[in-house]
Amino acid sequence: NAGVMQNPRHLVRRRGQEARLRCSPMKGHSHVYWYRQLPEEGLKFMVYLQKENIIDESGMPKERFSAEFPKEGPSILRIQQVVRGDSAAYFCASSPLGYTQYFGPGTRLTVL
Amino acid sequence: SQQGEEDPQALSIQEGENATMNCSYKTSINNLQWYRQNSGRGLVHLILIRSNEREKHSGRLRVTLDTSKKSSSLLITASRAADTASYFCATDALAAQGGSEKLVFGKGMKLTVNP
Repeated sequence: NAGVMQNPRHLVRRRGQEARLRCSPMKGHSHVYWYRQLPEEGLKFMVYLQKENIIDESGMPKERFSAEFPKEGPSILRIQQVVRGDSAAYFCASSPLGYTQYFGPGTRLTVL
Repeated sequence: SQQGEEDPQALSIQEGENATMNCSYKTSINNLQWYRQNSGRGLVHLILIRSNEREKHSGRLRVTLDTSKKSSSLLITASRAADTASYFCATDALAAQGGSEKLVFGKGMKLTVNP
């Protein structure tokens, strides 16, 4: 049973470009969470999704950020018109119903 | 706002010694979890302790939870160089709607175990 997979592992974008981060949950897990980690900080919750539904997006910035978890395929975190402050590590976690969250290796986004 | 706060923020010890990390939190919780993160890597789940539990063991790890003081401790016994990492406590926080069990992390504690 493969763990949570994220790609790409490293992503470099110039200011104003779009960043797409992908997360494939563990097999059998229907819950996906996205977190952001700034340098020397803990993880901050962004959004919680189930298949085709956003359940809690209270941690998402109001603009430029969106997330989806389609019926087929990975969950996508999309950041439009990136700015330098978006540079961070973005982690995805998955869980079966309401239990331990298992984290992926993260995507490190660098905005030039 | 940050829920968990680890203490100390950094700890350096020699191999074989024990390492104790503390975590304090602010609101009522269902569970508290400890994670490890090696530099530049993802998080590894170490142990989960439920609010009705006071102590839990897993190998060289011992976790305690005091809900009256809203605090937890993680003890690593007989430390090894490979234990060098950042350690985070995370509490669940039920969202007002939807029952999302999002995790709220502390800033983490850097443990260095010198060979």
